[in-house]
Amino acid sequence: DTGVSQDPRHKITKRGQNVTFRCDPISEHNRLYWYRQTLGQGPEFLTYFQNEAQLEKSRLLSDRFSAERPKGSFSTLEIQRTEQGDSAMYLCASSLSWRGEQYFGPGTRLTVT
Amino acid sequence: RKEVEQDPGPFNVPEGATVAFNCTYSNSASQSFFWYRQDCRKEPKLLMSVYSSGNEDGRFTAQLNRASQYISLLIRDSKLSDSATYLCVVNKDGNKLVFGAGTILRVKS
Repeated sequence: DTGVSQDPRHKITKRGQNVTFRCDPISEHNRLYWYRQTLGQGPEFLTYFQNEAQLEKSRLLSDRFSAERPKGSFSTLEIQRTEQGDSAMYLCASSLSWRGEQYFGPGTRLTVT
Repeated sequence: RKEVEQDPGPFNVPEGATVAFNCTYSNSASQSFFWYRQDCRKEPKLLMSVYSSGNEDGRFTAQLNRASQYISLLIRDSKLSDSATYLCVVNKDGNKLVFGAGTILRVKS
């Protein structure tokens, strides 16, 4: 399967714990995006990378959130001191270029109890 | 006002019907436009890009009116498998996608 992959698919954690998600983009894609989706809403942009450079961060990305793409390949999204409001589906997407079509991974569903 | 607005539906239609979804966007500088389809608890999947000249892919036709900032999707001969949420999407700066909240379609036999 050469699509976008994400791990884990599901994560249940207690409030206050740290969690980390991984995304592996389509191999030739140099752009990688993170989105968050809550029930009944469309995905909302969090941040994106071109190669290893993080070029934009949404105001939704509080200081508890950090994302990396150390070698321009896979990316990680870490949430520190999780809160119940962080419960959502975290989606990763990749594209070949700017303005290009973005292809999504299956998402990581986070539940904070 | 939301950047991308869609009628949430649901649209309940019989098999074989033609159904149309509309969407408006607020940023006139938006650069590219898409329809995505999302099944329950799954990721969004690209259905089609939308071009100013209009474009068709099988039973699906998309139209863009830049002057009115309006995007549409027409589905002909609806199938049960078309039941899903359809997301209108705008790429306003060449980078991030801005999604509408989605329109629910239910096709019934």
